[in-house]
Amino acid sequence: NAGVTQTPKFQVLKTGQSMTLQCAQDMNHNSMYWYRQDPGMGLRLIYYSASEGTTDKGEVPNGYNVSRLNKREFSLRLESAAPSQTSVYFCASRPLAGGNLAKNIQYFGAGTRLSVL
Amino acid sequence: AQKVTQAQTEISVVEKEDVTLDCVYETRDTTYYLFWYKQPPSGELVFLIRRNSFDEQNEISGRYSWNFQKSTSSFNFTITASQVVDSAVYFCALSDPDSNYQLIWGAGTKLIIKP
Repeated sequence: NAGVTQTPKFQVLKTGQSMTLQCAQDMNHNSMYWYRQDPGMGLRLIYYSASEGTTDKGEVPNGYNVSRLNKREFSLRLESAAPSQTSVYFCASRPLAGGNLAKNIQYFGAGTRLSVL
Repeated sequence: AQKVTQAQTEISVVEKEDVTLDCVYETRDTTYYLFWYKQPPSGELVFLIRRNSFDEQNEISGRYSWNFQKSTSSFNFTITASQVVDSAVYFCALSDPDSNYQLIWGAGTKLIIKP
């Protein structure tokens, strides 16, 4: 059971380069999220997708775009990377909320460590 | 606005000591959920516990226990008889249904257990 899989695990970019971070989950979850984690801080939400075909901005969306390709996959794109985007990026997924409160838990991938020089 | 505060940036104890990690939250919602996650040195995020706002019953799981008090907006985490493997960064987080269960995170507490 793979859970949430993120690729790549590490990446170094030069300022201005573009790249896409991939995320896939095999738990049939409806909602997916992208967070970034900076030193000494908690995670901050970049974008999320409540369900297939929908995406919404989070707290820090500037400089990023997302695509919910299908129910399994949610990608994060940096069109023109900047040093301020050096961070660890986490993808998470969550089952459809409802009467069962256990469905409110988010499950995380292992993270992508991105350095922008 | 929602906010989670973990005032303890770093805690260092000797193995077998008990340690409590503090978490204070702010929200106007009556329905909300509180979480603790563990981030070991390897970097992954591991879910530990979820508590909903209507359930103030304390919970114990092995050496871990959680104390939820709505009156003080706190959700503290205690590790009894700490072990070196407990060394990690621990995050407290808050979510509510109105924001699609987005997680609002505290800054984390780095726990160092010395042998």
